[in-house]
Amino acid sequence: KQEVTQIPAALSVPEGENLVLNCSFTDSAIYNLQWFRQDPGKGLTSLLLIQSSQREQTSGRLNASLDKSSGRSTLYIAASQPGDSATYLCAVGPGTTTDSWGKLQFGAGTQVVVTP
Amino acid sequence: DVKVTQSSRYLVKRTGEKVFLECVQDMDHENMFWYRQDPGLGLRLIYFSYDVKMKEKGDIPEGYSVSREKKERFSLILESASTNQTSMYLCASNKGGLAYDEQYFGPGTRLTVT
Repeated sequence: KQEVTQIPAALSVPEGENLVLNCSFTDSAIYNLQWFRQDPGKGLTSLLLIQSSQREQTSGRLNASLDKSSGRSTLYIAASQPGDSATYLCAVGPGTTTDSWGKLQFGAGTQVVVTP
Repeated sequence: DVKVTQSSRYLVKRTGEKVFLECVQDMDHENMFWYRQDPGLGLRLIYFSYDVKMKEKGDIPEGYSVSREKKERFSLILESASTNQTSMYLCASNKGGLAYDEQYFGPGTRLTVT
């Protein structure tokens, strides 16, 4: 069974520092990996989607890498701002599934605080 | 932009009441999902629908049912609300094909059952 882990659970950095968020998964046979942002009491916002054939995806200050063989993905946020404070979740789409349709497996998230 | 809306941001209900949570998406997506999110347990899938009137059970379907009469609308029903159903409920959708392609989430409904 796929397990998705995000360490650390919480992170605090001063404004301007680069953020590095980690996501690890136990089964390397994945279809895709998605990074989300969640503000307190709100829904999830999709940030980046990486297909299994890709090594990285970029959007503005965000860059996500994927290393399937080691079961890891990293989300980099350059030059952090207080507005980046949120919880960041990763989710893995299965490459093989016993269900007829499969489902995303979510990590528990990393809570980020960027201090001015 | 994809827009997924949920009928209520906050809801307070009494034990035993029948509760309806509504979700609407405006991008003609085939797939729709209901999750609940609890501290320490993360997101858990309740039900998934891949077409009108079609559904699949997720990880925790007990105590819930769903209805999808129109493509854009997916309802979650708590037949007899209980206090352990107090949670944040999140609806999501994606374009179809694979359930685990990019998903778009609504703003969530915080349900409290007293």
